[in-house]
Amino acid sequence: DAKTTQPNSMESNEEEPVHLPCNHSTISGTDYIHWYRQLPSQGPEYVIHGLTSNVNNRMASLAIAEDRKSSTLILHRATLRDAAVYYCILRPGTYKYIFGTGTRLKVLA
Amino acid sequence: DAMVIQNPRYQVTQFGKPVTLSCSQTLNHNVMYWYQQKSSQAPKLLFHYYDKDFNNEADTPDNFQSRRPNTSFCFLDIRSPGLGDAAMYLCATSRAGTDPAYGYTFGSGTRLTVV
Repeated sequence: DAKTTQPNSMESNEEEPVHLPCNHSTISGTDYIHWYRQLPSQGPEYVIHGLTSNVNNRMASLAIAEDRKSSTLILHRATLRDAAVYYCILRPGTYKYIFGTGTRLKVLA
Repeated sequence: DAMVIQNPRYQVTQFGKPVTLSCSQTLNHNVMYWYQQKSSQAPKLLFHYYDKDFNNEADTPDNFQSRRPNTSFCFLDIRSPGLGDAAMYLCATSRAGTDPAYGYTFGSGTRLTVV
């Protein structure tokens, strides 16, 4: 299974944009890029996903590099409620998610 | 709302005493997964059911078993819990896996304590 690499932790000020990077240099042409986040003592929740083009939804934006070897999750205005562990996961044609280590986002008031 | 429900949210069991965690879903998804998440670690896939077909991960200990009596329910059985099995156990569901655009829905987890 293709693997992802993320920074262990990041900090952001409240109301500021946050860019969470993910490297996936071994991605294959059919792998979708999924992002989930896990709030304390909760199960992971879906944030966004994409294949080749940049994607936007009400929670975030996903910017995918042209060669697809990296992607960036963008939170446009971080709030205290966005403090969580963010996981970048590749979804291949099989149906198993293999989680990487994730990035723990701390939001400062 | 359609969802994945795990019961109980917190479970305390004695060392060596069998314990069962349950998961139910109203999404009618045909794939159900169990993950183990230890403190400050990423979730680790234990096994999954694709319809009635059970798929074990190679490194899942024999101490962990699972049952899926119907589409809606899935159980995780730990035959003889050890102190190292204390963790959050997460259940997740997804639709048939041929569409990699489709994601998972997770339950809130069951936190297992072994005393």
